[in-house]
Amino acid sequence: GENVEQHPSTLSVQEGDSAVIKCTYSDSASNYFPWYKQELGKGPQLIIDIRSNVGEKKDQRIAVTLNKTAKHFSLHITETQPEDSAVYFCAASLADRGSTLGRLYFGRGTQLTVWP
Amino acid sequence: GAGVSQSPSNKVTEKGKDVELRCDPISGHTALYWYRQSLGQGLEFLIYFQGNSAPDKSGLPSDRFSAERTGGSVSTLTIQRTQQEDSAVYLCASSLRQGPSYEQYFGPGTRLTVT
Repeated sequence: GENVEQHPSTLSVQEGDSAVIKCTYSDSASNYFPWYKQELGKGPQLIIDIRSNVGEKKDQRIAVTLNKTAKHFSLHITETQPEDSAVYFCAASLADRGSTLGRLYFGRGTQLTVWP
Repeated sequence: GAGVSQSPSNKVTEKGKDVELRCDPISGHTALYWYRQSLGQGLEFLIYFQGNSAPDKSGLPSDRFSAERTGGSVSTLTIQRTQQEDSAVYLCASSLRQGPSYEQYFGPGTRLTVT
């Protein structure tokens, strides 16, 4: 099955700096890559996603890039703010594999801390 | 509108006891997913429902784990003869339809502690 690796496990940045989280995946058939933000005591919330027919996607201060050849994708947060502090998870989906349709394979998460 | 709700929010049980965890998906969502989140780990897929049927049970870690969904809505995850390694946060998610075109909305989770 799919294996998703995520780095770093912890990341501390100063407010206003950029933060980058990187993930790799193993199955070249994966074609959907969402990123989730999980605040303390809450369930994960989708913040941005990208499909394999696109190389980059932006939404305000957040961007995701995808390199299908290298099988890695990254989350970029610019102008970080203290409220960006949370655990971020990347995931991959094998969207064309019959009964596994929609199943997400998650990385282990990155604890992002933004210092004021 | 109301999001995904889960109950209880916290559950402490003794080793060997059975537990039931409940998930109320967003109204109208046909797909429902259970995940497990252990300390320092990512989310581990357990089982997925489309309507009342479970086409993918491959993530259930042992035959002590089972789940059902009735009326295409509420789902219950049952763990029999709990073990300490079952301690984790159990998350439920629902989506309008199956497939990656439909966002999975997560509930707040049930934190299970087996003593």
